[in-house]
Amino acid sequence: EVQLVESGGGLVQPGGSLRLSCAASGFTFSTFWMHWVRQAPGKGLVWVSRISSDGSIIDYADSVKGRFTISRDNAKNTLDLQMNSLRAEDTAIYFCTRGSYRFDCWGPGALVSVSS
Amino acid sequence: EIVLTQSPGTLSLSPGERATLSCRASQSVSANFLAWYQQKLGQPPRLLIYGASNRATGIPDRFSGSGSGTDFTLTISRLEPEDFAVYYCQLYDSSLFTFGPGTKVDIK
Repeated sequence: EVQLVESGGGLVQPGGSLRLSCAASGFTFSTFWMHWVRQAPGKGLVWVSRISSDGSIIDYADSVKGRFTISRDNAKNTLDLQMNSLRAEDTAIYFCTRGSYRFDCWGPGALVSVSS
Repeated sequence: EIVLTQSPGTLSLSPGERATLSCRASQSVSANFLAWYQQKLGQPPRLLIYGASNRATGIPDRFSGSGSGTDFTLTISRLEPEDFAVYYCQLYDSSLFTFGPGTKVDIK
């Protein structure tokens, strides 16, 4: 069974840092592009970042560029998102998802709350 | 940057009725990169349609997608109780991924 499971969410103060991880199983992780998509409470979906199957190509949404870093470990089948300089507007559920141009498998999400 | 607009914002229908959801792009896009998702409360999104008109694995044939250029449509031919949810369109263009604001289909 194809599965993605996020971890590492929590409450952090503005300006703080948090690292999310996504554990993948049930498919050949090293052959898929991977992404982070977030959803603020009661709001719509917003794409955050992507990384190519071999990690050589990385893109970010303008809203997180310079603050967030995406990475992957194909030996451990894990995807990470290092989030620095967090702001209140970064509060959201963060989903790990896979795909090149569409997202065909999603994790349940990890809640990140940025508040003092 | 291409902007996606979805209409209506909310669609109130009864089970068995037909639902027609619209997704409009601010400029012409490739249908190959247009997808639709369903999201129920407290759950992650589920891919329904990709390439504007191709059903994803396991998606019932009451769901269909169409369109080209700037105008795309998701049609649910006969609403089942489990279809009441929020639907998003999504586009890939120039290394960016954009979602529409969503259409909520609720029970009339």
